[in-house]
Amino acid sequence: GQQVMQIPQYQHVQEGEDFTTYCNSSTTLSNIQWYKQRPGGHPVFLIQLVKSGEVKKQKRLTFQFGEAKKNSSLHITATQTTDVGTYFCAAPETGGTSYGKLTFGQGTILTVHP
Amino acid sequence: DTAVSQTPKYLVTQMGNDKSIKCEQNLGHDTMYWYKQDSKKFLKIMFSYNNKELIINETVPNRFSPKSPDKAHLNLHINSLELGDSAVYFCASSQWPDPSYEQYFGPGTRLTVT
Repeated sequence: GQQVMQIPQYQHVQEGEDFTTYCNSSTTLSNIQWYKQRPGGHPVFLIQLVKSGEVKKQKRLTFQFGEAKKNSSLHITATQTTDVGTYFCAAPETGGTSYGKLTFGQGTILTVHP
Repeated sequence: DTAVSQTPKYLVTQMGNDKSIKCEQNLGHDTMYWYKQDSKKFLKIMFSYNNKELIINETVPNRFSPKSPDKAHLNLHINSLELGDSAVYFCASSQWPDPSYEQYFGPGTRLTVT
């Protein structure tokens, strides 16, 4: 089945530093979603990207979808301690009986040191 | 009001026992899911139901049996629990089974099998 590779697995930053997590697929994606899971919490939807080359911003968070729709990134500018958690990308399986199935990346665990 | 709720939040049990986890959503969504998150935070879909009908059934041991009495409820029954079943189980829902719709996750049930 489709795999979405996400790197890095862990990222430790000082408060105020920037952070980026990347997702890559060997196949063209119809869309990609991003979720955030706080420690001890549950995944919460952040955003969905659909168009080739799309860039969306949410305050200090910038989401990009590659031109070939095979990769995506989430960049956080000037991290804060409230940014700690695990960030997941997720993309739908396409075709066949996999309709409706989201495949999640492995997640990037972000730690922010004050 | 909680959008997606799960009970219990914690479940500690011995190997060989049978246990159930319940999930309810009050969002009026048609589609519900069960995910398993292992100790490395990897999220993997187990089952999906659309309006009480099973539409996704991943390679899961048949000791796991989902039941959807109505479209607002999706329960998970696990027979003959094994050590490897220890994980966090998340219920989720989305408006439709189309993976372009965001998914809303419940708070999770942390299952520990001893």
